[in-house]
Amino acid sequence: EVQLVESGGDLVQPGRSLRLSCVVSGFTFDDYAMHWVRQAPGKGLEWVSGISWNSGKLVYVDSVQGRFTISRDNAKNSVYLQMNSLRAEDTAVYYCVKDYYGSASGGGYFDYWGQGTLVTVSS
Amino acid sequence: QSVLTQPPSVSGAPGQRVTISCTGSSSNIGAGYDVHWYQQFPGRAPKLLIYAYNNRPSGVPDRFSASKSGTSASLAITGLQAEDEADYYCQSYDTSLSGSRVFGGGTKLTVL
Repeated sequence: EVQLVESGGDLVQPGRSLRLSCVVSGFTFDDYAMHWVRQAPGKGLEWVSGISWNSGKLVYVDSVQGRFTISRDNAKNSVYLQMNSLRAEDTAVYYCVKDYYGSASGGGYFDYWGQGTLVTVSS
Repeated sequence: QSVLTQPPSVSGAPGQRVTISCTGSSSNIGAGYDVHWYQQFPGRAPKLLIYAYNNRPSGVPDRFSASKSGTSASLAITGLQAEDEADYYCQSYDTSLSGSRVFGGGTKLTVL
C-alpha cells in the first residue's frame, strides 16, 4: 500500500522559516519525481514545487522561487520543503504528492497524495 | 487567476449527466499536453480520477470519462449519484511558466 505522510506544519510568524517533511512507503521511491501541492483555506489546488527522481531537476512556482527549496533523501524515502521568508499568503495545507514519472516537469500527473500538513503564517 | 479555467460550480439531479469544462491555451492543453482530473471531498486529500486524456485508475467507475479538443478539455459524469458530490480539478502542464504543472480553479459539483 502506498503511503505518504507529511509532517512539520505549524503556526509561524511572517518572515520566519519552516521545514516540511514527507516519508513515503509502498513504492520504489527513487524511481519517481515528487512534488508539493498546496491548498489555501477554501481555495483551489496550487502546484508549488517538484523534484526529479535523482534531484537533478528542481522546479518551483514563481511565487515561491528563491524562498522555498525542495530536496529529497532517497536513502530515507523522504522529500522535504524548506520554506523561508514565509508570508501570510503561504498559509495552506501542503500535500506531498507522488509523480507517475521520474521527471518533475512535463505532462505528468500525481497518482498518490498524502493527507496534508497545515502551515499557518500569522503574527 | 488560474491558468486553466473551470466553472466554479455545476449541478445535476441523480441519474443525469453533467460535464465540467477546463479551458486552457496554446501553451498548455493546446500544445498537446495531457489533461488529468482529480476528485476531492471536503476535508480530504485529492484523488486521481482520470489520467492521460481518458484513463481511469483502478476503482474509478466508468461513469467518469474525459475528452479533449483544441485548447479545452472536459470531464463527464453519467448516471450521477449523491456520492459524486465533490470538488473536481483539471491539471496539465504549461510551457510558458517555469516548468509548471498547473491546475484549474476547481468546480464544485452539487447533486440536487
